Amino acid sequence: AQSVSQHNHHVILSEAASLELGCNYSYGGTVNLFWYVQYPGQHLQLLLKYFSGDPLVKGIKGFEAEFIKSKFSFNLRKPSVQWSDTAEYFCAVNGMNNNDMRFGAGTRLTVKP
Amino acid sequence: GAVVSQHPSRVICKSGTSVKIECRSLDFQATTMFWYRQFPKQSLMLMATSNEGSKATYEQGVEKDKFLINHASLTLSTLTVTSAHPEDSSFYICSLAGSTDTQYFGPGTRLTVL
Repeated sequence: AQSVSQHNHHVILSEAASLELGCNYSYGGTVNLFWYVQYPGQHLQLLLKYFSGDPLVKGIKGFEAEFIKSKFSFNLRKPSVQWSDTAEYFCAVNGMNNNDMRFGAGTRLTVKP
Repeated sequence: GAVVSQHPSRVICKSGTSVKIECRSLDFQATTMFWYRQFPKQSLMLMATSNEGSKATYEQGVEKDKFLINHASLTLSTLTVTSAHPEDSSFYICSLAGSTDTQYFGPGTRLTVL
């Protein structure tokens, strides 16, 4: 069965620090990969996605993620975080059938001003 | 992306009562919508897939008679939690599938059963 694991439950950084959130998945076929963000009091929003092509994907607000097929990973990165990046980040995977979407447990990012 | 709304955003009910949660697509005709449940500090768990005009498909372990789903139109899906109990207290989120396999999420409904 497919699964998604996020390594960090809570990450605390100071502004301008670099960020990398880990995401590994287990799935027996071609996958689509997503990162969603949930800001405090708001709903889930798509941050970026990978379907095919360049494994380095750039999303909104300076975020990027790299798909490494051999490692079954899709880590999220940002070179310099801001206080406004404080949020919960979810990695998600689905197969060719949209019904298979699975989410990681989420990583709470707290950025100290 | 598509805009999805949920109503109510927050509901408190007594044990044994039923609660209906609406999920509306405001600008997209969604043949497929999804219902998730999110426990505190845990991941979203897919409960069921709602298909317009047909019966919903439930994930393993989800009681279809307890969580009634109706997708009566291309813009509305409802989840009814029947005979709610305190253990049903949770955050319920709907989403719809966009045209490119991307899901767009509603703001969620927090259900508290006393």
